[in-house]
Amino acid sequence: QKEVEQNSGPLSVPEGAIASLNCTYSDRVSQSFFWYRQYSGKSPELIMSIYSNGDKEDGRFTAQLNKASQYVSLLIRDSQPSDSATYLCAVSGDSWGKLQFGAGTQVVVTP
Amino acid sequence: EPEVTQTPSHQVTQMGQEVILRCVPISNHLYFYWYRQILGQKVEFLVSFYNNEISEKSEIFDDQFSVERPDGSNFTLKIRSTKLEDSAMYFCASSSPLAGGPNEQFFGPGTRLTVL
Repeated sequence: QKEVEQNSGPLSVPEGAIASLNCTYSDRVSQSFFWYRQYSGKSPELIMSIYSNGDKEDGRFTAQLNKASQYVSLLIRDSQPSDSATYLCAVSGDSWGKLQFGAGTQVVVTP
Repeated sequence: EPEVTQTPSHQVTQMGQEVILRCVPISNHLYFYWYRQILGQKVEFLVSFYNNEISEKSEIFDDQFSVERPDGSNFTLKIRSTKLEDSAMYFCASSSPLAGGPNEQFFGPGTRLTVL
């Protein structure tokens, strides 16, 4: 059974601090990795994608991928109350195929 | 900015009835997907669709489910005989080979299906 695992949280982060979210996956042939943000009652919103080992930065977000350890992470710098949401890790095994989602980590940014 | 749209936003139906959920993918996208999310649970893949045929389907996507692209813009999910356990949020997504990298899927706002 291929799994994508995340800590469910909630992860409480003071405003302005760094939120660090982790995700592990079991399928070694996974090629593409994504972070989605999901506000309560809303749809997943793509915030980051990463395909090769290392770091990828986009604004306040940094995704990190380590395929040897089957680990992908997301850092949110200068956290804002509007970042309070559930962050979903998603993994794809091929170019155009299905996304397998983790259960999500709830982040709560406290003023 | 282009976006995926879905109708209706909420559908209430009686068990055993047929429902059709509608999606308009982003206009230049070629790959289409349906996912569902039961309340409090993970987002689950149902089916992918490319070049007018199913590319992949999950074990959830049994004979009660079907998908269709009836014209150049709509993509539909039909559930023939709904069960109580079909109650969930259904998300349509689309992706394009012209995007920044493979498989960046963009989700619609979802249809909440309630089966009574």
